[in-house]
Amino acid sequence: DAMVIQNPRYQVTQFGKPVTLSCSQTLNHNVMYWYQQKSSQAPKLLFHYYDKDFNNEADTPDNFQSRRPNTSFCFLDIRSPGLGDAAMYLCATSRVGGPTDTQYFGPGTRLTVL
Amino acid sequence: GQNIDQPTEMTATEGAIVQINCTYQTSGFNGLFWYQQHAGEAPTFLSYNVLDGLEEKGRFSSFLSRSKGYSYLLLKELQMKDSASYLCAVFDSNYQLIWGAGTKLIIKP
Repeated sequence: DAMVIQNPRYQVTQFGKPVTLSCSQTLNHNVMYWYQQKSSQAPKLLFHYYDKDFNNEADTPDNFQSRRPNTSFCFLDIRSPGLGDAAMYLCATSRVGGPTDTQYFGPGTRLTVL
Repeated sequence: GQNIDQPTEMTATEGAIVQINCTYQTSGFNGLFWYQQHAGEAPTFLSYNVLDGLEEKGRFSSFLSRSKGYSYLLLKELQMKDSASYLCAVFDSNYQLIWGAGTKLIIKP
């Protein structure tokens, strides 16, 4: 089945220790998104790629970086995780990013920062 | 600023009907989505409305009034598995998806 895959599902890291979350998709979609979602809050868009074109949200901290080496894979790097970065990180894809375009989500990675 | 408002939490009884409301103020409008999110899981797509009116899809229906900046999600014949958060999201004029915080729906037997 075509899908969005995120690994790992649960990630524990120490305060200040870099961590990388991965996302892959078999949908062959052009657009990939990274969201941060804290408990009982709306997903917050961190950045998205339209193909290789990187789009950073204005309020995304510099501590968060992303890479998309090819159409299928996208990575979220947190350079120095703080306690406030503990959250669910959601990867999503959409075909072309247009107004009628549904976003399909992966299962998410729950990050714990000790 | 841009804003999506939904009730924080609702409770309903198994087998009953529940309506979850969403009001929005955004810079432009290019469609409204409803997503279902079970605890600890990713959101899954339920519906998309861009024209006024009611869209029915099985037990779930979604309604939109663009002039009022208002939508609702109607769930019929509630089942225990419908216990989840329901998120309303709007595409603004820049095709940015603006998300509500979600409505936690609790189903009681």
